[in-house]
Amino acid sequence: AQSVTQPDIHITVSEGASLELRCNYSYGATPYLFWYVQSPGQGLQLLLKYFSGDTLVQGIKGFEAEFKRSQSSFNLRKPSVHWSDAAEYFCAVGALDTGNQFYFGTGTSLTVIP
Amino acid sequence: DADVTQTPRNRITKTGKRIMLECSQTKGHDRMYWYRQDPGLGLRLIYYSFDVKDINKGEISDGYSVSRQAQAKFSLSLESAIPNQTALYFCATSDWGNTGELFFGEGSRLTVL
Repeated sequence: AQSVTQPDIHITVSEGASLELRCNYSYGATPYLFWYVQSPGQGLQLLLKYFSGDTLVQGIKGFEAEFKRSQSSFNLRKPSVHWSDAAEYFCAVGALDTGNQFYFGTGTSLTVIP
Repeated sequence: DADVTQTPRNRITKTGKRIMLECSQTKGHDRMYWYRQDPGLGLRLIYYSFDVKDINKGEISDGYSVSRQAQAKFSLSLESAIPNQTALYFCATSDWGNTGELFFGEGSRLTVL
């Protein structure tokens, strides 16, 4: 069965520090992978996605993620965090063989301290 | 105006009441979804629809029903609300055949007393 694991429920980083949010997935075929961000009181916004090709993908707001098939991972990174990056981050898998459903992780809450 | 609009944005109701959450979209997408978000549980799929005549249950459909009135409208109903249906509900659309991205509404916060 498809699943997405985000092992870090909450992360606190200092402004200007680097960030890495972890995501592991379970899926039998090549997955479509996504990272979404949810700011307080808002819906979810797509940060970036991986379908195929280059395993390092660039997204909005200076985020990037790397697909590692051998590790079944799709970790999100940012070299220098801004206070406005404080939000909830969700990793998701798009599954082609189950009616194109999307499966979400439980999310990682990011706090940025001055 | 938002591409995916949900109404109401907030609703407080009592146990046993019937509630309808409405979703409309201007994206022109065939695929629409209803998700439920609970703290620590992420987003869980309630129902999804690939077109007006194609409606499918998600992982947590018990206690919910949906109606796809048109390509642009997808409503979620709670026939008899119960307190554990208190949650944040999201409608989303997808153009899977193009970018594959999900586009979300701003959410409907439902409280069942």
